[in-house]
Amino acid sequence: DTAVSQTPKYLVTQMGNDKSIKCEQNLGHDTMYWYKQDSKKFLKIMFSYNNKELIINETVPNRFSPKSPDKAHLNLHINSLELGDSAVYFCASSQGWGAGANVLTFGAGSRLTVL
Amino acid sequence: GENVEQHPSTLSVQEGDSAVIKCTYSDSASNYFPWYKQELGKRPQLIIDIRSNVGEKKDQRIAVTLNKTAKHFSLHITETQPEDSAVYFCAAGGGATNKLIFGTGTLLAVQP
Repeated sequence: DTAVSQTPKYLVTQMGNDKSIKCEQNLGHDTMYWYKQDSKKFLKIMFSYNNKELIINETVPNRFSPKSPDKAHLNLHINSLELGDSAVYFCASSQGWGAGANVLTFGAGSRLTVL
Repeated sequence: GENVEQHPSTLSVQEGDSAVIKCTYSDSASNYFPWYKQELGKRPQLIIDIRSNVGEKKDQRIAVTLNKTAKHFSLHITETQPEDSAVYFCAAGGGATNKLIFGTGTLLAVQP
């Protein structure tokens, strides 16, 4: 059983479109995250949710909207896609609040390519 | 803001040699320092972590050292093997915001 699963694995779309990436964890963790990894491999936190509540919202354009229907799911919706949104998006989860002190379990990543 | 610097950005070693990757952090309140390994096309995975009440931790061929005064920590891999080839990320966390800030990554290539 995959601990943190995200879909789709690959996403190719045109500029201006809207797309969503879904994430689910079956670890019973309290906190979930979205990270963005660009072409230079930099890993940057985008959002963090603890028990469905938004905890961290980094300087991310408001075209990105996370949604957590329950603590096992965290989805990412992106409106009006731009070329610069092309990246690998990783979902992650941790037990307890805060990546600052807890081990992160990452999903396999969703590679988004905007043409 | 919080910052984690990581060096070198690329490292090539011969199989059997040691590899050392160094990181410095800016937030003196940081107290948790994990290292993640990311193989090509795969997800980052934790390989070792250290908390600020410990100066050194070892797990088989991997060791991490922490100098809180100087705000730097290092990853040491001994007897490197080709399967150690990957991108390694350091991170620092547990500060006021409880965020985990990643370093910029080190691409380690172990030549057989």
